Amino acid sequence: DAGVIQSPRHEVTEMGQEVTLRCKPISGHDYLFWYRQTMMRGLELLIYFNNNVPIDDSGMPEDRFSAKMPNASFSTLKIQPSEPRDSAVYFCASSSGLWGSPLHFGNGTRLTVT
Amino acid sequence: AQSVAQPEDQVNVAEGNPLTVKCTYSVSGNPYLFWYVQYPNRGLQFLLKYITGDNLVKGSYGFEAEFNKSQTSFHLKKPSALVSDSALYFCAVTPPRRGSSNTGKLIFGQGTTLQVKP
Repeated sequence: DAGVIQSPRHEVTEMGQEVTLRCKPISGHDYLFWYRQTMMRGLELLIYFNNNVPIDDSGMPEDRFSAKMPNASFSTLKIQPSEPRDSAVYFCASSSGLWGSPLHFGNGTRLTVT
Repeated sequence: AQSVAQPEDQVNVAEGNPLTVKCTYSVSGNPYLFWYVQYPNRGLQFLLKYITGDNLVKGSYGFEAEFNKSQTSFHLKKPSALVSDSALYFCAVTPPRRGSSNTGKLIFGQGTTLQVKP
């Protein structure tokens, strides 16, 4: 099992550019989560999917953020246009259930917007 | 409001000594409780969880946690700390399932940095 795979590991972009972060969950996991981690705000849940369907996107900060899960093995988080305050580490996680099932995190994408 | 508190930003302990990382929660009912560890430049890794049963839960790498319902606490412990235990530790809680009224989302604490010195 390769675990949750995220790409790229690092992304540096200029303000106003579009950024796309990618995630491949663990095979067989029905739930996929996108988190953002910053020093100031800690870990924030942005959105989660169940069986490829977005269930709760109340954590998505603005309309500039969008997430998709076209199939069970792939998800994207897109920021358009990006702003310096979006700089953070973005984590994808997957799990086999919701209540009581541990999350398996990827190693994250460190995004820097200049 | 449902919340998790980790009252210490950092815990320092000497190698070989016991360690405790504190966690308290404010969730109605009987929640599910978790501990995760994050090493530098890595994602969070699951350590252990409490759902029901014995109040003392054993997990990975020799860690254990004690659930105390009356004090609404779930402190992480290890009898003998290693330098390699130095990392960022997160407590998390999921409110109990109650029909469709709870979403099952994990609520994370702010994290506690554990520093183990040789």
